[in-house]
Amino acid sequence: GAVVSQHPSRVICKSGTSVKIECRSLDFQATTMFWYRQFPKKSLMLMATSNEGSKATYEQGVEKDKFLINHASLTLSTLTVTSAHPEDSSFYICSARGVAGVDTQYFGPGTRLTVL
Amino acid sequence: GQQLNQSPQSMFIQEGEDVSMNCTSSSIFNTWLWYKQDPGEGPVLLIALYKAGELTSNGRLTAQFGITRKDSFLNISASIPSDVGIYFCAGPGTASKLTFGTGTRLQVTL
Repeated sequence: GAVVSQHPSRVICKSGTSVKIECRSLDFQATTMFWYRQFPKKSLMLMATSNEGSKATYEQGVEKDKFLINHASLTLSTLTVTSAHPEDSSFYICSARGVAGVDTQYFGPGTRLTVL
Repeated sequence: GQQLNQSPQSMFIQEGEDVSMNCTSSSIFNTWLWYKQDPGEGPVLLIALYKAGELTSNGRLTAQFGITRKDSFLNISASIPSDVGIYFCAGPGTASKLTFGTGTRLQVTL
């Protein structure tokens, strides 16, 4: 199946710093990528939809100035957590959607963010 | 918004046993997806269902799309240790956004 990568897989940062997470579709072009957040023992919660060449659309309650999303190419979307605080510590997962439909949404391996 | 509730929340079974879990929705879905998430990894699609009443298999996994379109079921036959993980149902909403269920955590004992 299609491959989506995320980098880094783990990151630890100090409170107040910004962290960038990359999501890449390795063998297909993705006009749409999605960013999810998952707390321990919880389900995935959609944060935002990243559209290539246009602004991301955020879910209700997600601060767009806090979680900056850039989808500069058909294979790369980035999520930047700005001025991170301990409550931002979570597992962030991206997915990339192919052209065939909703079931072709492929997930990355996730990024574990820990803010000290 | 849409809510997908999964049952059971967690289960411990012995290797070789069959497993059943279900997912219910407060609203109708036209597609049901079942994913498995291993610890520290992203979800992997197991089965996709597109039609009410549809029964689809993938190896030892069988999933059914409920007639009411508000539920779906996943069965695993003859469980093995690598079946351990969290199983999520998911349904698409507007703009291809997926709503994930609450998850069923499966643990297998030898």
